[in-house]
Amino acid sequence: KQEVTQIPAALSVPEGENLVLNCSFTDSAIYNLQWFRQDPGKGLTSLLLIQSSQREQTSGRLNASLDKSSGRSTLYIAASQPGDSATYLCAVMTGANNLFFGTGTRLTVIP
Amino acid sequence: DAGVIQSPRHEVTEMGQEVTLRCKPISGHNSLFWYRQTMMRGLELLIYFNNNVPIDDSGMPEDRFSAKMPNASFSTLKIQPSEPRDSAVYFCASSPLTGTASGYTFGSGTRLTVV
Repeated sequence: KQEVTQIPAALSVPEGENLVLNCSFTDSAIYNLQWFRQDPGKGLTSLLLIQSSQREQTSGRLNASLDKSSGRSTLYIAASQPGDSATYLCAVMTGANNLFFGTGTRLTVIP
Repeated sequence: DAGVIQSPRHEVTEMGQEVTLRCKPISGHNSLFWYRQTMMRGLELLIYFNNNVPIDDSGMPEDRFSAKMPNASFSTLKIQPSEPRDSAVYFCASSPLTGTASGYTFGSGTRLTVV
Protein backbone atom coordinates (compact mmCIF):
# COMPACT_ATOMS: atom_id res chain seq x y z
CA LYS A 1 0.00 0.00 0.00
CA GLN A 2 1.21 3.48 -0.87
CA GLU A 3 2.45 5.48 2.10
CA VAL A 4 2.95 9.22 1.95
CA THR A 5 5.07 11.07 4.50
CA GLN A 6 5.41 14.80 4.99
CA ILE A 7 8.22 16.46 6.86
CA PRO A 8 8.20 18.56 8.92
CA ALA A 9 4.85 18.14 10.64
CA ALA A 10 4.89 21.80 11.64
CA LEU A 11 6.94 24.79 10.61
CA SER A 12 7.09 28.41 11.78
CA VAL A 13 8.90 31.04 9.76
CA PRO A 14 9.11 34.84 9.82
CA GLU A 15 7.35 36.71 7.06
CA GLY A 16 9.38 37.10 3.88
CA GLU A 17 11.35 33.88 4.20
CA ASN A 18 11.50 31.30 1.45
CA LEU A 19 10.63 27.80 2.58
CA VAL A 20 10.43 24.20 1.38
CA LEU A 21 7.93 21.53 2.35
CA ASN A 22 8.81 17.91 1.73
CA CYS A 23 6.74 14.93 0.65
CA SER A 24 7.89 11.36 0.09
CA PHE A 25 6.02 8.32 -1.14
CA THR A 26 6.89 4.63 -1.11
CA ASP A 27 5.57 3.42 -4.47
CA SER A 28 6.87 5.32 -7.49
CA ALA A 29 4.12 3.96 -9.77
CA ILE A 30 1.98 7.07 -9.59
CA TYR A 31 -0.09 8.94 -12.15
CA ASN A 32 0.23 12.36 -10.60
CA LEU A 33 0.94 14.24 -7.41
CA GLN A 34 -1.17 17.07 -6.08
CA TRP A 35 -0.48 19.69 -3.41
CA PHE A 36 -3.43 21.01 -1.42
CA ARG A 37 -3.90 23.74 1.12
CA GLN A 38 -6.31 23.36 4.04
CA ASP A 39 -7.28 26.26 6.28
CA PRO A 40 -8.60 25.46 9.78
CA GLY A 41 -12.15 24.15 9.63
CA LYS A 42 -12.21 24.38 5.85
CA GLY A 43 -11.99 22.07 2.88
CA LEU A 44 -9.03 21.39 0.64
CA THR A 45 -7.93 23.81 -2.06
CA SER A 46 -5.85 22.43 -4.89
CA LEU A 47 -2.62 24.35 -5.40
CA LEU A 48 -0.59 22.45 -7.97
CA LEU A 49 -0.90 19.21 -9.92
CA ILE A 50 2.17 17.51 -11.38
CA GLN A 51 1.72 14.69 -13.87
CA SER A 52 4.08 11.72 -13.53
CA SER A 53 5.86 12.76 -16.74
CA GLN A 54 6.54 16.28 -15.43
CA ARG A 55 9.27 17.48 -13.12
CA GLU A 56 7.78 20.69 -11.84
CA GLN A 57 4.86 23.09 -11.86
CA THR A 58 4.73 26.74 -10.91
CA SER A 59 1.92 29.02 -9.83
CA GLY A 60 2.79 32.48 -8.60
CA ARG A 61 5.05 32.18 -5.56
CA LEU A 62 4.62 28.41 -5.45
CA ASN A 63 6.81 25.86 -7.19
CA ALA A 64 6.35 22.12 -6.86
CA SER A 65 8.88 19.57 -8.04
CA LEU A 66 8.58 15.85 -8.54
CA ASP A 67 11.27 13.16 -8.61
CA LYS A 68 9.23 10.06 -9.23
CA SER A 69 12.14 7.63 -9.23
CA SER A 70 13.20 8.64 -5.74
CA GLY A 71 9.65 9.05 -4.48
CA ARG A 72 9.98 12.71 -3.50
CA SER A 73 8.26 16.01 -4.07
CA THR A 74 8.89 19.47 -2.69
CA LEU A 75 6.72 22.55 -2.47
CA TYR A 76 8.70 25.77 -2.51
CA ILE A 77 7.03 28.94 -1.25
CA ALA A 78 8.83 32.16 -2.03
CA ALA A 79 8.59 35.32 0.05
CA SER A 80 6.17 33.83 2.57
CA GLN A 81 3.24 35.90 3.86
CA PRO A 82 1.01 35.53 6.94
CA GLY A 83 -1.82 34.55 4.58
CA ASP A 84 0.16 31.47 3.63
CA SER A 85 -0.44 30.06 7.11
CA ALA A 86 -2.35 26.80 6.67
CA THR A 87 -1.84 23.05 6.52
CA TYR A 88 -0.29 21.82 3.29
CA LEU A 89 -1.09 18.30 2.12
CA CYS A 90 0.45 16.32 -0.67
CA ALA A 91 -1.40 13.44 -2.31
CA VAL A 92 -0.36 10.89 -4.92
CA MET A 93 -2.72 9.21 -7.34
CA THR A 94 -2.22 5.54 -8.12
CA GLY A 95 -3.55 3.43 -10.96
CA ALA A 96 -6.58 2.57 -8.86
CA ASN A 97 -7.69 6.21 -9.08
CA ASN A 98 -7.11 6.61 -5.40
CA LEU A 99 -5.48 9.62 -3.80
CA PHE A 100 -3.16 8.74 -0.94
CA PHE A 101 -2.65 11.69 1.36
CA GLY A 102 0.20 12.64 3.61
CA THR A 103 -0.57 13.85 7.12
CA GLY A 104 0.34 17.41 6.21
CA THR A 105 2.67 20.19 7.28
CA ARG A 106 1.17 22.94 9.42
CA LEU A 107 2.77 26.21 8.37
CA THR A 108 2.72 29.38 10.44
CA VAL A 109 4.13 32.57 8.94
CA ILE A 110 4.85 35.11 11.66
CA PRO A 111 4.31 38.78 10.77
CA ASP B 1 -19.72 26.45 -11.36
CA ALA B 2 -20.36 26.52 -7.61
CA GLY B 3 -17.91 23.70 -6.98
CA VAL B 4 -18.61 20.54 -5.02
CA ILE B 5 -21.49 21.21 -2.64
CA GLN B 6 -21.90 19.30 0.60
CA SER B 7 -24.68 19.44 3.15
CA PRO B 8 -25.07 19.84 5.99
CA ARG B 9 -21.93 21.75 7.02
CA HIS B 10 -22.28 20.57 10.59
CA GLU B 11 -24.23 17.69 12.08
CA VAL B 12 -24.60 16.78 15.74
CA THR B 13 -26.47 13.60 16.50
CA GLU B 14 -26.95 11.11 19.27
CA MET B 15 -25.40 7.69 19.21
CA GLY B 16 -27.64 5.19 17.47
CA GLN B 17 -29.27 7.70 15.17
CA GLU B 18 -29.11 7.55 11.39
CA VAL B 19 -27.02 10.21 9.68
CA THR B 20 -27.16 11.12 5.98
CA LEU B 21 -24.53 13.28 4.33
CA ARG B 22 -25.13 14.74 0.90
CA CYS B 23 -22.94 15.76 -2.00
CA LYS B 24 -23.46 17.45 -5.35
CA PRO B 25 -20.41 17.07 -7.61
CA ILE B 26 -19.30 19.53 -10.25
CA SER B 27 -21.43 19.20 -13.35
CA GLY B 28 -19.68 17.05 -15.94
CA HIS B 29 -17.42 15.30 -13.45
CA ASN B 30 -17.95 11.57 -13.67
CA SER B 31 -15.93 10.45 -10.67
CA LEU B 32 -17.03 11.07 -7.09
CA PHE B 33 -15.16 10.27 -3.89
CA TRP B 34 -16.04 10.21 -0.20
CA TYR B 35 -13.21 10.84 2.29
CA ARG B 36 -13.09 10.98 6.06
CA GLN B 37 -10.61 13.14 7.98
CA THR B 38 -9.63 12.63 11.61
CA MET B 39 -6.71 13.85 13.66
CA MET B 40 -5.50 10.33 14.23
CA ARG B 41 -5.74 8.91 10.71
CA GLY B 42 -5.69 11.94 8.43
CA LEU B 43 -7.64 11.69 5.17
CA GLU B 44 -8.94 8.26 4.24
CA LEU B 45 -10.82 7.24 1.11
CA LEU B 46 -14.11 5.56 1.98
CA ILE B 47 -15.60 4.86 -1.45
CA TYR B 48 -15.55 6.18 -4.99
CA PHE B 49 -17.91 6.08 -7.95
CA ASN B 50 -17.31 6.24 -11.69
CA ASN B 51 -20.35 7.15 -13.78
CA ASN B 52 -22.59 6.58 -10.74
CA VAL B 53 -21.28 3.04 -10.20
CA PRO B 54 -19.41 2.18 -6.98
CA ILE B 55 -15.91 1.03 -7.93
CA ASP B 56 -14.03 0.59 -4.68
CA ASP B 57 -15.69 0.54 -1.26
CA SER B 58 -12.85 -1.18 0.55
CA GLY B 59 -12.35 1.89 2.71
CA MET B 60 -15.86 1.78 4.16
CA PRO B 61 -15.26 0.99 7.84
CA GLU B 62 -18.10 -1.46 8.35
CA ASP B 63 -21.62 -2.34 7.38
CA ARG B 64 -23.02 0.63 9.25
CA PHE B 65 -21.73 2.79 6.38
CA SER B 66 -23.40 2.87 2.98
CA ALA B 67 -23.16 5.18 -0.02
CA LYS B 68 -25.32 5.70 -3.06
CA MET B 69 -25.16 7.71 -6.23
CA PRO B 70 -28.59 7.57 -7.86
CA ASN B 71 -27.64 10.02 -10.61
CA ALA B 72 -24.71 12.07 -11.87
CA SER B 73 -25.52 15.07 -9.72
CA PHE B 74 -26.14 13.58 -6.31
CA SER B 75 -24.59 11.19 -3.80
CA THR B 76 -25.29 10.27 -0.19
CA LEU B 77 -23.23 8.71 2.57
CA LYS B 78 -25.33 7.12 5.30
CA ILE B 79 -24.30 5.91 8.73
CA GLN B 80 -26.79 3.72 10.57
CA PRO B 81 -26.52 3.41 13.52
CA SER B 82 -24.00 6.15 14.26
CA GLU B 83 -21.36 5.80 16.99
CA PRO B 84 -19.13 8.37 18.73
CA ARG B 85 -16.07 7.02 16.89
CA ASP B 86 -17.69 8.11 13.62
CA SER B 87 -17.12 11.74 14.61
CA ALA B 88 -14.96 13.28 11.89
CA VAL B 89 -15.06 15.63 8.93
CA TYR B 90 -16.42 13.92 5.83
CA PHE B 91 -15.36 15.30 2.47
CA CYS B 92 -16.78 14.70 -0.95
CA ALA B 93 -14.62 15.27 -4.03
CA SER B 94 -15.15 14.97 -7.77
CA SER B 95 -12.96 14.80 -10.84
CA PRO B 96 -13.73 14.93 -14.53
CA LEU B 97 -11.84 11.80 -15.48
CA THR B 98 -10.76 8.64 -13.77
CA GLY B 99 -7.06 9.00 -13.45
CA THR B 100 -4.42 11.09 -14.92
CA ALA B 101 -5.35 14.30 -16.54
CA SER B 102 -7.05 16.27 -13.84
CA GLY B 103 -6.95 16.69 -10.14
CA TYR B 104 -9.70 16.46 -7.62
CA THR B 105 -11.98 19.26 -6.40
CA PHE B 106 -13.09 18.96 -2.79
CA GLY B 107 -16.22 20.20 -1.09
CA SER B 108 -16.09 22.14 2.18
CA GLY B 109 -16.88 19.05 4.20
CA THR B 110 -19.45 17.99 6.78
CA ARG B 111 -18.30 18.04 10.40
CA LEU B 112 -20.08 15.18 12.14
CA THR B 113 -20.24 14.91 15.91
CA VAL B 114 -21.87 11.86 17.45
CA VAL B 115 -22.55 12.22 21.17
